[in-house]
Amino acid sequence: GAVVSQHPSRVICKSGTSVKIECRSLDFQATTMFWYRQFPKQSLMLMATSNEGSKATYEQGVEKDKFLINHASLTLSTLTVTSAHPEDSSFYICSARDQGGNSPLHFGNGTRLTVT
Amino acid sequence: KNEVEQSPQNLTAQEGEFITINCSYSVGISALHWLQQHPGGGIVSLFMLSSGKKKHGRLIATINIQEKHSSLHITASHPRDSAVYICAAHHNTDKLIFGTGTRLQVFP
Repeated sequence: GAVVSQHPSRVICKSGTSVKIECRSLDFQATTMFWYRQFPKQSLMLMATSNEGSKATYEQGVEKDKFLINHASLTLSTLTVTSAHPEDSSFYICSARDQGGNSPLHFGNGTRLTVT
Repeated sequence: KNEVEQSPQNLTAQEGEFITINCSYSVGISALHWLQQHPGGGIVSLFMLSSGKKKHGRLIATINIQEKHSSLHITASHPRDSAVYICAAHHNTDKLIFGTGTRLQVFP
């Protein structure tokens, strides 16, 4: 079964509203989670690295005030798309790694966001 | 030039064919992942390898560190193997550098 749960799987919202996406590790603790964005027919792009108990590390070009990340516990990271615009419509996916350098990455099933 | 390159971009095959997808990278890596993304978007990690060869069912992944090249092989391909296959390199940290993916379609 899935070891990383991402919710919601699909969301449609109006311009100007905020949307929160949750990423949970179900049977392991994840001090680090990753948030990616994927445009149609393109590969994944790392947006930010979410660190439990500290500020997220954002990749160049990703607005931290636009994409708020909170990693309040060892099993939950949230990504909030604030004041969403149609250009924020995309597929967002998270991943987490069990503690231990050689453990595989586990991915959530992704969230398809459509901003109208 | 991307740091992780995959080929081919698109691949069609008849059921039962042997399939190879290639991945070349230009950076130092600590490990390389092969991922499978289904049409719905969900991603499954197939392999993580840092040397040699791994096998899981009909899937085989190999890596040659000296040549900075990895391959994913699918034996006796089946329509349910149709997906996008992505290689991703761990560049000395937990961050992944992704290839652009190979879209595989296997026809009955």
